[in-house]
Amino acid sequence: GDSVTQMEGPVTLSEEAFLTINCTYTATGYPSLFWYVQYPGEGLQLLLKATKADDKGSNKGFEATYRKETTSFHLEKGSVQVSDSAVYFCALSDGSGYSTLTFGKGTMLLVSP
Amino acid sequence: EAGVTQFPSHSVIEKGQTVTLRCDPISGHDNLYWYRRVMGKEIKFLLHFVKESKQDESGMPNNRFLAERTGGTYSTLKVQPAELEDSGVYFCASSPFSNSPLHFGNGTRLTVT
Repeated sequence: GDSVTQMEGPVTLSEEAFLTINCTYTATGYPSLFWYVQYPGEGLQLLLKATKADDKGSNKGFEATYRKETTSFHLEKGSVQVSDSAVYFCALSDGSGYSTLTFGKGTMLLVSP
Repeated sequence: EAGVTQFPSHSVIEKGQTVTLRCDPISGHDNLYWYRRVMGKEIKFLLHFVKESKQDESGMPNNRFLAERTGGTYSTLKVQPAELEDSGVYFCASSPFSNSPLHFGNGTRLTVT
């Protein structure tokens, strides 16, 4: 079945550092890929998405590119802020739908001043 | 607009007891989903309602779990009898259409002792 693998956390960075959170997937067909973020005390929020190969999703300074050849969707940000501290989840859905998502285990990001 | 609301935010019960979780989706959202995150593991899909009908319940772990959505508005998820392995965070999400981004609630943290 479909699966998503994320790097283990926590990831600890200083403010303004470069962030990469790795995500690879296994899926049949052509999945859509997502990054969700959960800030402390809040629910999951869609951060960005990509629906086909070579698409780049971006939002709030975060980017991720759908790489079919390496089955990856790594999350990057050039300069993190303390307010980016949260848990980040990589996810996929089959086809172009959003409904049944397969999630990774989540990666906690801690940014210190 | 009000977001997805889940109640209670936390619940601590003893093994063998019954617990009912409630989810109020965003008004007008026909699609309602339940997901669960067991500690340290992935967020897993449980089931999907379209209005009051169960569209997909392939993720329900066993018959101790019963989800309802009478009238197509709010939904309840009952666990009876609860077991230790049921502990985790239960997320509800809603969307207006099946291919729309999901709006998640803050989750209910269930602890079974």
